[in-house]
Amino acid sequence: KNQVEQSPQSLIILEGKNCTLQCNYTVSPFSNLRWYKQDTGRGPVSLTIMTFSENTKSNGRYTATLDADTKQSSLHITASQLSDSASYICVVSAKGGSQGNLIFGKGTKLSVKP
Amino acid sequence: EPEVTQTPSHQVTQMGQEVILRCVPISNHLYFYWYRQILGQKVEFLVSFYNNEISEKSEIFDDQFSVERPDGSNFTLKIRSTKLEDSAMYFCASNPDRTTYEQYFGPGTRLTVT
Repeated sequence: KNQVEQSPQSLIILEGKNCTLQCNYTVSPFSNLRWYKQDTGRGPVSLTIMTFSENTKSNGRYTATLDADTKQSSLHITASQLSDSASYICVVSAKGGSQGNLIFGKGTKLSVKP
Repeated sequence: EPEVTQTPSHQVTQMGQEVILRCVPISNHLYFYWYRQILGQKVEFLVSFYNNEISEKSEIFDDQFSVERPDGSNFTLKIRSTKLEDSAMYFCASNPDRTTYEQYFGPGTRLTVT
């Protein structure tokens, strides 16, 4: 069964610190993996999208990595800011599947404290 | 920057009533989607829509759901006879074409069925 698992479920860090969020998936065949940021009560906003051939992608202070062999991805946030407080969702798309049929993880809820 | 908009932001309805959730996708986009997120759970795919017809739907999208693009800008989700378990955030998303992986999500409509 196609699944996306994220860890940790929640995380509290101090402003200015770095953190890394993890995503493991069992989606096959794999097409692409996305990281979204979702503020409370808002829609997800795309941070990065990686295909099979990409193993790292950055978007400002966000850096995502992908290991397609072990089916793992991570999202590293550098020099965290209070505005980084949100849920971070890992989403995987299967090859041949419609773009709408994305498999979502449950998300990691990040709280950045002053 | 263009964005997906959704109305209303919050809808309260009684069980058994019909509701229509509205979305205005980004104007040059061709693919449209509805997702839902029950409180505390994963985002789930409902349906994708292209060229005035459903291209894919999940098993959640049963006969009580329907989608429509009544004019050149709106994209609606109708729930015919709401149930308590339909209470959720409903997100509309769009993307410009099949080769663009990134989907743009709206802010969501919170549906509360009492």
